[in-house]
Amino acid sequence: QITLKESGPTVVKRTETLTLTCTFSGFSLRNAGVGVAWIRQPPGKALEWLALVYWDDDKRYSPSLKSRVTIIKDTSKNQVVFRMTNMDPVDTATYYCAHMVVRTSYFDPWGQGILVTVSS
Amino acid sequence: QSVLTQPPSVSGAPGQRVTISCTGSSSNIGAGNGVHWYQQLPGTAPKLLIYGYSNRPSGVPDRFSGSKSGTSASLAISGLQAEDEADYYCQSYDSTLSGYVFGTGTKVTVL
Repeated sequence: QITLKESGPTVVKRTETLTLTCTFSGFSLRNAGVGVAWIRQPPGKALEWLALVYWDDDKRYSPSLKSRVTIIKDTSKNQVVFRMTNMDPVDTATYYCAHMVVRTSYFDPWGQGILVTVSS
Repeated sequence: QSVLTQPPSVSGAPGQRVTISCTGSSSNIGAGNGVHWYQQLPGTAPKLLIYGYSNRPSGVPDRFSGSKSGTSASLAISGLQAEDEADYYCQSYDSTLSGYVFGTGTKVTVL
């Protein structure tokens, strides 16, 4: 059974850097074809894909946020770290991590999510 | 910012059939990049409902079905039940943006 859980601060200040950790079990990022993605959802709004890292350390970023985000995998700890710089109140959202298998292009399963509020 | 457009809401009585459209373009749905659907119950994380246009993961009732035509896709819920009241999102990959894209989301209300 695959599970993922997000952790990190629930409040950050404007201009600060957000660092979130996704800790997973039931799969390994040593296995070919596996990836972990980050997706966010502002309150009452739609989902937005942010970043993805594959088992081979290939990384993909949302074009609109590419200059602000970084994704890093720690295979030994079964963790994926997500960083977003220069946080703004519009970045207030629930941040999810999710498992993906390459060439399938869908996310399954998802973590429970963590609500991050950016204070001004 | 979503490149996939869905109706904001649909509703139906218990037992009825409702459909949700997902309109994209030649760089995502029309490019054959796959369309997937997620169900998000209130206060919970999204859950995969349909993958690869019309495939159901294990455990998803066959009341849910998906289809694709040209640059659009649809999710149908037949025999609507109270527990189906949720938000539904479509998702694909956009070759021009080189990224994954979600729909605007549709709230399903059971009358």
